[in-house]
Amino acid sequence: DSGVTQTPKHLITATGQRVTLRCSPRSGDLSVYWYQQSLDQGLQFLIHYYNGEERAKGNILERFSAQQFPDLHSELNLSSLELGDSALYFCASSVAGGGNSPLHFGNGTRLTVT
Amino acid sequence: GENVEQHPSTLSVQEGDSAVIKCTYSDSASNYFPWYKQELGKRPQLIIDIRSNVGEKKDQRIAVTLNKTAKHFSLHITETQPEDSAVYFCAAGTTSGTYKYIFGTGTRLKVLA
Repeated sequence: DSGVTQTPKHLITATGQRVTLRCSPRSGDLSVYWYQQSLDQGLQFLIHYYNGEERAKGNILERFSAQQFPDLHSELNLSSLELGDSALYFCASSVAGGGNSPLHFGNGTRLTVT
Repeated sequence: GENVEQHPSTLSVQEGDSAVIKCTYSDSASNYFPWYKQELGKRPQLIIDIRSNVGEKKDQRIAVTLNKTAKHFSLHITETQPEDSAVYFCAAGTTSGTYKYIFGTGTRLKVLA
């Protein structure tokens, strides 16, 4: 168990809809990263938050947004969903704010857009 | 933008042989290089990491080497076992400027018994 909790485990929704993915980092970790993994693909970096502030942004679509709350949990909001958004979304946390410490991954949320 | 190239994309070895996976990064500010193993249907997990002030690090059957000048780093697995079969990802982390943590495209390793 990594200590990172992601909910829900599975989401099935229709095109055009909006969903929210939630992540609780390991106790003591201030950084939260979001990654998208499409079928048999790599880990696409979406966004990184550190102690409530956005630290780095990757290839995140404008239809997607995220935030990190004062209690350090994070939410990833996906709107106007398209079939191509179907993927496994991972959240990972680390203790440091820079990219210099191990990431601890949650078990992911599998999103299926029909 | 910054990227990490990883080769090969697939690798099959006989049990007991060695496996080598290579990565090249583009951001000269990168200074942290972890490797993750992802078994089918599971989350990636850290197996070894190296920082830019070290050229080599070893942990039992796994070793990582770093060539900062060439911006290359490699994962070496010796005496491979069937349970080593998984997808391996390299990554490059940066502690300044972009603060990004970029992953390579992954290598699917299959160890044949």
